[in-house]
Amino acid sequence: EVQLLESGGGSINPGGSLRLSCVASGLTFRNAWMIWVRQAPGKGLEWVGLIRSKADGGTTDYGAPVKGRFTISRDDSKNTLYLQMDSLKTEDTAVYYCTHVHPPWYFDPWGRGTLVTVSS
Amino acid sequence: QTVVTQEPSFSVSPGGTVTLTCGLSSGSVSTSYYPSWYQQTPGQAPRTLIYSTNTRSSGVPDRFSGSILGKKAALTITGAQADDECDYYCVLYMGSGIWVFGGGTKLTVL
Repeated sequence: EVQLLESGGGSINPGGSLRLSCVASGLTFRNAWMIWVRQAPGKGLEWVGLIRSKADGGTTDYGAPVKGRFTISRDDSKNTLYLQMDSLKTEDTAVYYCTHVHPPWYFDPWGRGTLVTVSS
Repeated sequence: QTVVTQEPSFSVSPGGTVTLTCGLSSGSVSTSYYPSWYQQTPGQAPRTLIYSTNTRSSGVPDRFSGSILGKKAALTITGAQADDECDYYCVLYMGSGIWVFGGGTKLTVL
C-alpha cells in the first residue's frame, strides 16, 4: 500500500520561509512524478506544482500564484519530496497535500496534509 | 487564465441520480484533458473517484460514473446515499505539466 506523510507545517510570519516534507512508502519513489496541492481554509483544492522523476528530467512546473517563490525538490535516496516556500504571504495559508501523479494524469493516493498558517 | 467551472452546490434526494459537471471558461472539455474527479469529506484528504474521464478508481462503487456530456466532463452518482454528501472536485490536465482544479461542488443529500 502506498502511503504519503507530510510534515513541516506550522505558523510563520509573512515574508518568512518554511520547508515541507513528504515521505513516501510502498512506492518506487525514484520513478514517481509527484505534486503538491493546497487547500485554504474553507476553500477548494489548488494545484501548487509538479516534479518529474529524474529519469524524465527531474524538472518542475508551478502554478502562477507560487511561481518564483516556491521550489519543489526531491531526495530519492530518502523517498522524500520537499516544498520550499519563501516570501510567504497570508494567502498561502492552507493545508498542503502531496500526492503521486499517475499517467495518464490523475492523483493517488493523497497524504493527510500539513497545515501552514501565515500570519503576523 | 483558464478557469475550470463546477456548480458551487447541488442537491439530490436519497436514492436519486445527480450529474455534476466540469467545464472550461473558454472552450470544451474533451478526453484530452484527462478529467478526474475527487471526493472530499470535511477534514479529510481527497479520495480519487474517476480518472481519464470514465475509469473508476479501485474500490469505488459503480454508482459513480464519469463521462463527457456536451462540452463538459460529468460525474454521475446514481442511487445517492447519505454518505455521498460531501465536496466533489474535478481537475483537468492543461498539458506541459500543469493541472487546474475546479472550484468544487458541495453535494447535499436530502
